[in-house]
Amino acid sequence: QVQLQQSGAELAKPGSSVKISCKASGYTFTSYYISWIKQTTGQGLEYIGYINTGSGGTNYNEKFKGKATLTVDKSSSTAFMQLSSLTPDDSAVYYCARSGPPAYWGQGTLVTVSS
Amino acid sequence: DIQMTQSPPSLSASLGDKVTITCQASQNINKYIAWYQQKPGKAPRLLIRYTSTLESGTPSRFSGSGSGRDYSFSISNVESEDIASYYCLQYVNLPWTFGGGTKLELK
Repeated sequence: QVQLQQSGAELAKPGSSVKISCKASGYTFTSYYISWIKQTTGQGLEYIGYINTGSGGTNYNEKFKGKATLTVDKSSSTAFMQLSSLTPDDSAVYYCARSGPPAYWGQGTLVTVSS
Repeated sequence: DIQMTQSPPSLSASLGDKVTITCQASQNINKYIAWYQQKPGKAPRLLIRYTSTLESGTPSRFSGSGSGRDYSFSISNVESEDIASYYCLQYVNLPWTFGGGTKLELK
């Protein structure tokens, strides 16, 4: 069965970076894009961008350009999202999802930014 | 970006009621709207895609309709397992955008 397994919760200091992973299984990894979505209580659900898992090509929501960097390792069927220059506003649950509209989601990774 | 205005933000219903949630897009989205259910601590679950196509496993008491800018999502005969938050998503244009959500509670 299709599964997206994300890495664990992160506690990070302001100004630092974190890298979240999303390991796919149960399907041909390079046949589907991986999207990333941010969820906060205040802003709800926000689309960050997607990565073409075959070519590595990316598309970012303008709001997250410079904040998020999407990469992929085809050899391990894993997608990554790095969040840089963290501020408290980046505290959220981040999901990876298989595009289409997304029918398969990871379990979410909680990122907390605090000094 | 396309704005999705979802209402109401919260809804109180009794078991067996019919409830309806609406989403209005800031422009024509050509039926490219999906509806999600989310329970606390869980990822969203896709219920309906392309306005009215039920995903495998979605109970038939869920339905969707609409066109152009205006869309609705209904649950007939609300059951206790339906208590959750619901979100619409437009996926006709990037960036995809979500509605603000509707929290369904038991009366």
